[in-house]
Amino acid sequence: QVQLVQSGAEVKKPGASVKVSCRASGYTFSNFYMHWVRQAPGQGLEWMGVINPSGDTTTYAQKFQGRVTMTRDTSTSTLYMELSSLKSEDTAVYYCTRGWQRFSDYWGQGTLVTVSS
Amino acid sequence: DIVVTQTPLSLSVTAGQPASISCKSSQSLLHSEGKTYLSWYLQKPGQPPQLLIYEVSNRFSGVPDRFSGSGSGTDFTLKISRVEAEDVGVYYCMQSIQLPRTFGQGTKVEIK
Repeated sequence: QVQLVQSGAEVKKPGASVKVSCRASGYTFSNFYMHWVRQAPGQGLEWMGVINPSGDTTTYAQKFQGRVTMTRDTSTSTLYMELSSLKSEDTAVYYCTRGWQRFSDYWGQGTLVTVSS
Repeated sequence: DIVVTQTPLSLSVTAGQPASISCKSSQSLLHSEGKTYLSWYLQKPGQPPQLLIYEVSNRFSGVPDRFSGSGSGTDFTLKISRVEAEDVGVYYCMQSIQLPRTFGQGTKVEIK
């Protein structure tokens, strides 16, 4: 069965960077787009960006342009999202999701990133 | 960016009764290829979102038939024919006709 297993919770100081991973299994990783969505505490869902199946094309939400980098490693079926220059407003749960026919059919369990001095 | 607006933001329903959530987009979600890119997700407490409905009215694998979606263009509706205790959570609609994908604010459904 399809599984997306994300890395554990992180605590970072303002100005630092965080790199979250998402390991896929149960399907051919290199055939699907992958997206990142985040959710601040008590808030709704916010789309961050997408990476194509081969990993050579990314599209980021304008809000995160210049601060986010999405990559993927086909050899380990792992997706990565790195967010730099962290601010307290970046405290959120970050989800990886599989893109299927322009929808998100499977989601990781989420990774809580806390930004605090 | 396409703005997606959900109403109501919260809903308290007696178990066994129907529920309905509206979702409106600022632009048509009908693609030139004939598909409409509107989907619904349910986020149960403490869990990631799960896909319920895609392309307006198609139930995802394993989704009970008490969930149904309808609508076209810019106006959409999710209906639950008989709400069960396991349906509590926050429901989101999402447009994916263009990037950035955008979500509605969410509708919190609880049992009376």
